Amino acid sequence: GAGVSQSPSNKVTEKGKDVELRCDPISGHTALYWYRQSLGQGLEFLIYFQGNSAPDKSGLPSDRFSAERTGGSVSTLTIQRTQQEDSAVYLCASSREQGARGTEAFFGQGTRLTVV
Amino acid sequence: GENVEQHPSTLSVQEGDSAVIKCTYSDSASNYFPWYKQELGKRPQLIIDIRSNVGEKKDQRIAVTLNKTAKHFSLHITETQPEDSAVYFCAATPRAGTALIFGKGTTLSVSS
Repeated sequence: GAGVSQSPSNKVTEKGKDVELRCDPISGHTALYWYRQSLGQGLEFLIYFQGNSAPDKSGLPSDRFSAERTGGSVSTLTIQRTQQEDSAVYLCASSREQGARGTEAFFGQGTRLTVV
Repeated sequence: GENVEQHPSTLSVQEGDSAVIKCTYSDSASNYFPWYKQELGKRPQLIIDIRSNVGEKKDQRIAVTLNKTAKHFSLHITETQPEDSAVYFCAATPRAGTALIFGKGTTLSVSS
C-alpha cells in the first residue's frame, strides 16, 4: 500500500478482555515502531522492531502488553486483560533504515482503543 | 536510554510572529533529530529533520538548530499563520537500530 495501515480504526472492549491491534508497514521498511498516545498527551514509545534483530521492548508498560512482527512485515500488538487506563490511541510507524543514518518514520492513522 | 525534554508545553502567538520550541536530549550518541507536526485528529507528519553533522537547516519558514555540546535543538517558525496551529513533537534517536524517542509535545496556537 501507499502508507502505513492500521486496523481496526476504533475498538471498544470490555475491561478484562484481550485485544489485538494490527499494523501493515510500508513495503520495504525494515523498522517498525509502536507508540501510545493518551488524550492530549505525547507519543509514548512501546516497542521497536528492526529487521531480524531482537525487538526493543523497553517501553512496554506491563507484561500484559506484547507484540510480534511476522516475516519482517505485519505487526500485531496484543493487550491482555485490558484495563481502563489502556484507553488511548495506538500509533504504528515504519521507516526505511539506512545504515547508521536515521530516516523519516511514517505513521499510520492509529487505532483508538476504548476500554469500558 | 534516551530521554527527550520539550518546552514549552503550550505556546500562543499572534499571526506573523515567530515561534520557538526547544528540546534537550540525554544521550550524546544521538545523531538524528526530526520534528513532527500533528494536526487535530490526524497522524504525526515529519516537517523537518537534522543530523548531528549539521548545525542548522532551513526550509522556507521553518528552521531547526542543533547544539551538540549542550545537547539541545530548537524549532523556529517565522511569520506564523493560523494553519501552523498544531501539536509539534521533537524526537531523537541515538543511532540506527534504536527507537525514536519523542518529547511530550508543544501545542502551538496562532491567532489571527
